[in-house]
Amino acid sequence: EPEVTQTPSHQVTQMGQEVILRCVPISNHLYFYWYRQILGQKVEFLVSFYNNEISEKSEIFDDQFSVERPDGSNFTLKIRSTKLEDSAMYFCASSEPWDREGYTFGSGTRLTVV
Amino acid sequence: GESVGLHLPTLSVQEGDNSIINCAYSNSASDYFIWYKQESGKGPQFIIDIRSNMDKRQGQRVTVLLNKTVKHLSLQIAATQPGDSAVYFCAEKSVEYGNKLVFGAGTILRVKS
Repeated sequence: EPEVTQTPSHQVTQMGQEVILRCVPISNHLYFYWYRQILGQKVEFLVSFYNNEISEKSEIFDDQFSVERPDGSNFTLKIRSTKLEDSAMYFCASSEPWDREGYTFGSGTRLTVV
Repeated sequence: GESVGLHLPTLSVQEGDNSIINCAYSNSASDYFIWYKQESGKGPQFIIDIRSNMDKRQGQRVTVLLNKTVKHLSLQIAATQPGDSAVYFCAEKSVEYGNKLVFGAGTILRVKS
């Protein structure tokens, strides 16, 4: 069964440092997403990406965040200067435009900012 | 605004019993709903979905019910098993809010053996 893969599974970083979270979406999917989940809370939308550009972003996705599809397979989330409150699970997902099976999520990257 | 909420944060059931997990949504324009299961340390896993032109959809051991009049969604799990223990999220999507999913707060399901 096709999977969305994310690396690393756990990232620890110093406050103020830049981090890049990596994702390989399902190969024939066209929409890509990042969501985050602070411990014990609900999953929150960050950004959606289609046709090599951001199609939608939330209030959380401020200037410290950026996304990129550097090649035909990877989809990355960069946080330029991490803050303590950026500590969370970050999930990548991909979908067809109106995929009846919903999105496929990766297993997530746990980001810990210290 | 965009919000999806759950009535019960934790549900404990005996193995073999049926489970019902509830969700209230606030966006009457939402036209697609999904239930996800999340096990510890893993990403959300698709369980079942339903479109707003339906009020019931059945899968293997699971049934989703949609009541648009009161904006209520439920997930029924038949013959609950220990492997069903997880956090369950409902999520909604609408054309009005683009292609993103709006998740509810989650319900913890604990299955007692």
